Amino acid sequence: DSGVTQTPKHLITATGQRVTLRCSPRSGDLSVYWYQQSLDQGLQFLIQYYNGEERAKGNILERFSAQQFPDLHSELNLSSLELGDSALYFCASSVRPGAGELFFGEGSRLTVL
Amino acid sequence: GQQLNQSPQSMFIQEGEDVSMNCTSSSIFNTWLWYKQDPGEGPVLLIALYKAGELTSNGRLTAQFGITRKDSFLNISASIPSDVGIYFCAGPDNFNKFYFGSGTKLNVKP
Repeated sequence: DSGVTQTPKHLITATGQRVTLRCSPRSGDLSVYWYQQSLDQGLQFLIQYYNGEERAKGNILERFSAQQFPDLHSELNLSSLELGDSALYFCASSVRPGAGELFFGEGSRLTVL
Repeated sequence: GQQLNQSPQSMFIQEGEDVSMNCTSSSIFNTWLWYKQDPGEGPVLLIALYKAGELTSNGRLTAQFGITRKDSFLNISASIPSDVGIYFCAGPDNFNKFYFGSGTKLNVKP
């Protein structure tokens, strides 16, 4: 158990819909990262937060947004969903941005039909 | 941005064999991380390396931080079927991001 908690584990929805994925980082970790992994692909960095503020952006679509709350949990919002958005979405946390070790949650599997 | 080149892309080995995979970067890293990912699950941190030349073991796994700070390798000795999965190298830049290799898919035949 990495200590990073993600919900929901599985989500099935239709094109055009909007979903929210939630992440609680490890106790003591201030930085949260979101990654997307499509079938048999590598990890694509989406966005990173540190202590409530956005610190780095990767290949995140405009239809996607995220935020980190004062209690340090983070949410990733995916809207106007398309079939191609079906993927595993991982949250990871570290103590500080780009520092030390990065721990991953078990992921949220999104299926868009 | 920095790029991590991981090789080989995939390996098919017999149970009991040793395995070696490596990762090279276009820039210097101060930390190297090695992960294993089972299908449909999150990557699990295997080994973290913090110092050039450092050699660290975790059971049958051994990883080294290259002297140039631009490479790292992971060895698995006496492989077993549960070693099957995808192995990723990763490292942070000086700012915010962690970069990941494309992964080495390991298949072990019993």
